Amino acid sequence: QQQVKQSPQSLIVQKGGISIINCAYENTAFDYFPWYQQFPGKGPALLIAIRPDVSEKKEGRFTISFNKSAKQFSLHIMDSQPGDSATYFCAASNSNSGYALNFGKGTSLLVTP
Amino acid sequence: DGGITQSPKYLFRKEGQNVTLSCEQNLNHDAMYWYRQDPGQGLRLIYYSQIVNDFQKGDIAEGYSVSREKKESFPLTVTSAQKNPTAFYLCASSMGAVGPGTQYFGPGTRLLVL
Repeated sequence: QQQVKQSPQSLIVQKGGISIINCAYENTAFDYFPWYQQFPGKGPALLIAIRPDVSEKKEGRFTISFNKSAKQFSLHIMDSQPGDSATYFCAASNSNSGYALNFGKGTSLLVTP
Repeated sequence: DGGITQSPKYLFRKEGQNVTLSCEQNLNHDAMYWYRQDPGQGLRLIYYSQIVNDFQKGDIAEGYSVSREKKESFPLTVTSAQKNPTAFYLCASSMGAVGPGTQYFGPGTRLLVL
């Protein structure tokens, strides 16, 4: 049973555009929401993360928006670049399971020149 | 260099055979995790360990076993009971399970069935 639902499955954005990926969760015990970036054949790498006590976190071109009441969070990539083309995973975790991550199914992002 | 190493990069398993995937970290992290990645499925948790000599089952532990005899090592054995083992296996570690922390992933092992 997928505890974190992610959409869209794939996304094509022009260079300079905004990429938006959405995630939803059901378990209100989750208290840590990271986003990971993965290139083909490599392990995922942390991009940005948020706790539920804030509604937005920005790091460079990457922003997480968090809506606790709706149990939704999203990743916005501003000024998308071809080098951002990768698979992005949202995840959620809590202390009940040692902060092991529950991942969404991923979004394959392609940024065209 | 600090980080997580996984070996081998590719592993071939014959039917009925047990195989062991290695995961080593020199980050002095307490917590270690094993995930399985299938195309279009995201990553799913197999086992995790918060401390030496202790580990917990994840969502898809059937057909797998682990040990945690040393802080830096968390090997995963894929047993013959795992009927569909073909996947990309990822090991991760984090400072501890007291609070959320960045999970650092290794480069992965791709397991293929002959």
